[in-house]
Amino acid sequence: KQEVTQIPAALSVPEGENLVLNCSFTDSAIYNLQWFRQDPGKGLTSLLLIQSSQREQTSGRLNASLDKSSGRSTLYIAASQPGDSATYLCAVLNTGNQFYFGTGTSLTVIP
Amino acid sequence: KAGVTQTPRYLIKTRGQQVTLSCSPISGHRSVSWYQQTPGQGLQFLFEYFSETQRNKGNFPGRFSGRQFSNSRSEMNVSTLELGDSALYLCASRTDQETQYFGPGTRLLVL
Repeated sequence: KQEVTQIPAALSVPEGENLVLNCSFTDSAIYNLQWFRQDPGKGLTSLLLIQSSQREQTSGRLNASLDKSSGRSTLYIAASQPGDSATYLCAVLNTGNQFYFGTGTSLTVIP
Repeated sequence: KAGVTQTPRYLIKTRGQQVTLSCSPISGHRSVSWYQQTPGQGLQFLFEYFSETQRNKGNFPGRFSGRQFSNSRSEMNVSTLELGDSALYLCASRTDQETQYFGPGTRLLVL
C-alpha cells in the first residue's frame, strides 16, 4: 500500500527566507504527484502537478521537483511571505488510479 | 468555469441520525472523489465515482456510501452517525489522471 510522508510536520520561518518542504512515497508506480495548499478550515488549492515523466514544475515563487526512483519530491518556496502561511500537502496518484495524501507540513511565515 | 461546490457548508447532527452531502463538480469533469479530514487522521480517501460507477473505495465501513448522477453530481451518505464521524468532508473533481480540484468542504459536527 502506498504511504506518503511529509517532513517536517511544522515549520516556522522569518519572512523573506527560502524554504524546502519534503515529501516521500513508498511505491514509485505513480502517474503524477501534486502539491496542495490548505488554509484553516478550507478546501485544498492545487499548486503544482508533476507528471511521472517530468523532473520539475515551476509556478511563480514555487518550484517542485520529483525523483520517482527514490520516491521523493520537494517543494521549494522562494522569498517566503506571511501570506504563504498554510498547510502544504502532497499527494500521489498511483497506477491504480487512487490518490494518497501525506499528513502535511504546517508553515508559518513570521513578518 | 465555476469551481467545485459542496452543500451544505455546515451541518450539526446527533448520533444515530443519517446525513447526505452533495457535490457538484467542475463542468466536464466525470470523476468525483470524497475525502474525510480530521485532525487526528489527516485526509483519508472515502471513494471515487467515475461516469456513475464507483471506481475506487477506501477503508471505511459500509455506513459510508455514495452515488453519482448522470450530470456527474455526486452525493455521499452516512447512516447511523457516530461522534467520530465529525470531520471536514471534501470532494474533488478531475479529468482522468490530471489535477484534482477541491470544493470548500462540508463541516459535519455530530453531537
